[in-house]
Amino acid sequence: GESVGLHLPTLSVQEGDNSIINCAYSNSASDYFIWYKQESGKGPQFIIDIRSNMDKRQGQRVTVLLNKTVKHLSLQIAATQPGDSAVYFCAEKDVDSSYKLIFGSGTRLLVRP
Amino acid sequence: KAGVTQTPRYLIKTRGQQVTLSCSPISGHRSVSWYQQTPGQGLQFLFEYFSETQRNKGNFPGRFSGRQFSNSRSEMNVSTLELGDSALYLCASSAGLSPYEQYFGPGTRLTVT
Repeated sequence: GESVGLHLPTLSVQEGDNSIINCAYSNSASDYFIWYKQESGKGPQFIIDIRSNMDKRQGQRVTVLLNKTVKHLSLQIAATQPGDSAVYFCAEKDVDSSYKLIFGSGTRLLVRP
Repeated sequence: KAGVTQTPRYLIKTRGQQVTLSCSPISGHRSVSWYQQTPGQGLQFLFEYFSETQRNKGNFPGRFSGRQFSNSRSEMNVSTLELGDSALYLCASSAGLSPYEQYFGPGTRLTVT
């Protein structure tokens, strides 16, 4: 498969455990954030989004938390499965352009069987 | 509903040549964005088109250009290829209006030799 990042931070978790992936963003005025999952050889897959007027949003097995005070975003994956192994990116909508996403550098999640 | 499609999936070109990549968005989506993904720089925004108009452009040289057709399909062109243009080029489709979530295609892997 294709490598999307040779020196990504890596999170290794046991299958069945919960995973927490963190992301810091730069602009306190950012008002929209997205988490993407990218598997080897594929494009990023939309997981969940959150607006800045919310602190928490839940999806299926995933929860995104937004802490605007410290400009921090986290993605929590419950009962992590082998299929969750991938690189995870957070992205923020550019304040100056509604049509541009600014991506973080990504975190590689490895799920141990 | 069919996802975003990109052609070709893989491409090998020689320095100095030019290349054209194609993207077909999700049916009904009018916005197409292009991103370049490399291990060193991560995901970087190239440009975005909506209804055949470029609405925003990233910080790439003029060798990178794009266009969108009336059926929302988009092409990007890179002229006078350089070794550093080797990357995964990703196309993302969205409705173009709030809430801005973008859905990515599988990408075109360009290798410049």
